[in-house]
Amino acid sequence: EVQLVESGGGLVQPGGSLRLTCAASGFTFSSYEMCWVRQAPGKGLEWVSYINSVGSNTHYADSVKGRFTISRDNAKNSLYLQMNSLRVEDTAAYFCARWAQRDAFLLWGQGTVVTVSS
Amino acid sequence: DIQMTQSPSTLSASVGDRVTITCRASQSISSWLAWYQQKPGKAPKLLIYKASSLESGVPSRFSGSGSGTEFTLTISSLQPDDFATYYCQQYNSLWTFGQGTKVEIK
Repeated sequence: EVQLVESGGGLVQPGGSLRLTCAASGFTFSSYEMCWVRQAPGKGLEWVSYINSVGSNTHYADSVKGRFTISRDNAKNSLYLQMNSLRVEDTAAYFCARWAQRDAFLLWGQGTVVTVSS
Repeated sequence: DIQMTQSPSTLSASVGDRVTITCRASQSISSWLAWYQQKPGKAPKLLIYKASSLESGVPSRFSGSGSGTEFTLTISSLQPDDFATYYCQQYNSLWTFGQGTKVEIK
């Protein structure tokens, strides 16, 4: 089955760190670009970060630049998001999504919830 | 940065109604626009890509049109399963989502 499964969310204090993982299966992960998208409670979707298929090119939203780092391990079919210096406003469900210009964000994970609170 | 503005924010409609949602880009994005449907607690689902291409398996009552800065998503005859929130997304320059349009039961 073609799927993405996120893990690693949880409750963390402001200023803390968390690492999210997205496990891919059912397709050739190393051929695809990947993104992280988040959704604060009751709010809309916000693109967070992008990585190309080999991990050599990344982009970040201004809201997380300098604090979050996206990476991937194609041998493990896994995508990561290292989140440092977390803020209350980073509280959200975080989705990984497969990107392709021919079909946009066709494949999404189910999301993992990050709560930043003291 | 490219900003995406959807209207309306909320839409009340009945089963069988024709529904149109508009999305405007702050600068030209050619046809690099997608539409997604999201239900509470679920991941978004791709409906339309490249402004007017219907994703496989999506009912033909959904259609998209537009280019440049103005785009529309039309549901020709609203069905009970269509009550959800809809987002446009540009991918001409990085990625930006509209703020969403919630389609409610009238």
